[in-house]
Amino acid sequence: SQTIHQWPATLVQPVGSPLSLECTVEGTSNPNLYWYRQAAGRGLQLLFYSVGIGQISSEVPQNLSASRPQDRQFILSSKKLLLSDSGFYLCAWTQNNSPLHFGNGTRLTVT
Amino acid sequence: DQQVKQNSPSLSVQEGRISILNCDYTNSMFDYFLWYKKYPAEGPTFLISISSIKDKNEDGRFTVFLNKSAKHLSLHIVPSQPGDSAVYFCAASALGGSEKLVFGKGTKLTVNP
Repeated sequence: SQTIHQWPATLVQPVGSPLSLECTVEGTSNPNLYWYRQAAGRGLQLLFYSVGIGQISSEVPQNLSASRPQDRQFILSSKKLLLSDSGFYLCAWTQNNSPLHFGNGTRLTVT
Repeated sequence: DQQVKQNSPSLSVQEGRISILNCDYTNSMFDYFLWYKKYPAEGPTFLISISSIKDKNEDGRFTVFLNKSAKHLSLHIVPSQPGDSAVYFCAASALGGSEKLVFGKGTKLTVNP
């Protein structure tokens, strides 16, 4: 069966520091991968999606970037965090029109 | 511009009664709708979906109704159980599946014993 791993679960970072969140999927190959964010009082907002290695599409302009160095690995990064980057970050995957499957998320607090 | 709206941030019901969660959308291109359930400190989990060619889909205690003319869908939970207490997200896609889902803000359901 397929599983999705996302870490860390919580993270507190100062403004201006870098960020790297990692997500891996097991039990499948060539999934579509996604990064979503839930900011306080808002719904889940799609940040990035990827249909293959090295293929990244950005949905909203922002201070973040994403990379997919391997088929089942998706990384969310920032060179310098802003206060507005605080939120709950979720990685997800789907394949062959299956429902979107989410990881357990990372709670990021930028101080 | 919020394309998927869940206007009730919270809902409280008694155990055994019906829970009705509502969702409205503005994009007429949406053709696939899903409900997700989220417990604290966990990612959302898929609950039930409906295609725009249907107006009802049922799975055990959960039923989703779609009214395309009103651009409205609802999730019915009967009977409600305390374990159903969670945040419920409505989501929609214009691509016929789970690609690039647009989510609402969620409704927090509390089922009281």
